[in-house]
Amino acid sequence: EPEVTQTPSHQVTQMGQEVILRCVPISNHLYFYWYRQILGQKVEFLVSFYNNEISEKSEIFDDRFSVERPDGSNFTLKIRSTKLEDSAMYFCASSYRGQGTGELFFGEGSRLTVL
Amino acid sequence: AQSVTQPDIHITVSEGASLELRCNYSYGATPYLFWYVQSPGQGLQLLLKYFSGDTLVQGIKGFEAEFKRSQSSFNLRKPSVHWSDAAEYFCAVGLIQGAQKLVFGQGTRLTINP
Repeated sequence: EPEVTQTPSHQVTQMGQEVILRCVPISNHLYFYWYRQILGQKVEFLVSFYNNEISEKSEIFDDRFSVERPDGSNFTLKIRSTKLEDSAMYFCASSYRGQGTGELFFGEGSRLTVL
Repeated sequence: AQSVTQPDIHITVSEGASLELRCNYSYGATPYLFWYVQSPGQGLQLLLKYFSGDTLVQGIKGFEAEFKRSQSSFNLRKPSVHWSDAAEYFCAVGLIQGAQKLVFGQGTRLTINP
């Protein structure tokens, strides 16, 4: 069964550093997403991406965050100048459709710890 | 704005007992409704979804959920739980239009007593 894969599973970084979280969505999917879950809190939407551009982003997704689909298979989330409050589990998701019955398939997550 | 409430943060049931996890939503139209499960160290796995039609939906692992428009609820049920059902369960609302942006509830952590 096709699945969304994410790397790394855990990343530890110093505050102020840049991190890149990588995702390989399901191959025929067209819509890509990042969500995050701070420990003990709700899973929150960060950004959606379609046709090589951001289609929607939340207020969490400030100008330190960026997403890219560099090579047609990977989907990356970059966080510059990391802050302590960026520590969270980051989930990548993909769907074939962006609306209607477009079911989201989630990866297993990348845990980011900012020290 | 849409929101999802899961009133129970933590539920403990005995193995073999029945289970009901509550979910209430706030949304201006009929939403798309989902239940996801997250086992320790794992990602989010879709249990079931409701888009339209029959208000009682069947999912994987023996779970079902019933959409009740009058109560704005989408409660998850299982007639007999297994120890492997111990996990965190999330209810989510999806927007009908636009990108598939989900709004999640707080989650309910399920503990199973042997």
